[in-house]
Amino acid sequence: KNEVEQSPQNLTAQEGEFITINCSYSVGISALHWLQQHPGGGIVSLFMLSSGKKKHGRLIATINIQEKHSSLHITASHPRDSAVYICAAHGSRLTFGEGTQLTVNP
Amino acid sequence: EPEVTQTPSHQVTQMGQEVILRCVPISNHLYFYWYRQILGQKVEFLVSFYNNEISEKSEIFDDQFSVERPDGSNFTLKIRSTKLEDSAMYFCASSELGQGDTEAFFGQGTRLTVV
Repeated sequence: KNEVEQSPQNLTAQEGEFITINCSYSVGISALHWLQQHPGGGIVSLFMLSSGKKKHGRLIATINIQEKHSSLHITASHPRDSAVYICAAHGSRLTFGEGTQLTVNP
Repeated sequence: EPEVTQTPSHQVTQMGQEVILRCVPISNHLYFYWYRQILGQKVEFLVSFYNNEISEKSEIFDDQFSVERPDGSNFTLKIRSTKLEDSAMYFCASSELGQGDTEAFFGQGTRLTVV
């Protein structure tokens, strides 16, 4: 069993839809990261959170430490949001999920 | 905005050759990391580096790998004798404090192709 599991693996949405990507982890963590990987391969850090909720523009990340679960939400999705979204749990080291491929169609 | 830079962006090398992947972390960051991503697979931790020494390494980081901070700005990953299975995207990252405490900033990656 993977220590960090994401769902769904693939997600296709229409522009404007509300998107949710889920992440569950089995390791004890000090923080959880949400990352965005562009088609060219580059990785951008979106959020690091250890409790509660963070918001940046149209992106919202939440974490429930007791349930070992985090979600990434995108409001009013746009084609430029199309990318792979990765959650990574920081226990003794960063352990990455498999990623969720998001495609937003115009 | 400060960023982590990696060079080269793409490296092709023959099996058995040595390669050095270079990274310039953000200047006030103290923690440095290397990750790799084999095509179609998830990102994997290789090594973390703090205070001029390795603080943690994964099972992947065997004797053919080494890291160095040769001067005040560069952070390098050396692969001594490359194998076909070393073909991957290699990402450098840096953070001000440990990655459990502050956000990590990633470079754009070096795509290594071993032929």
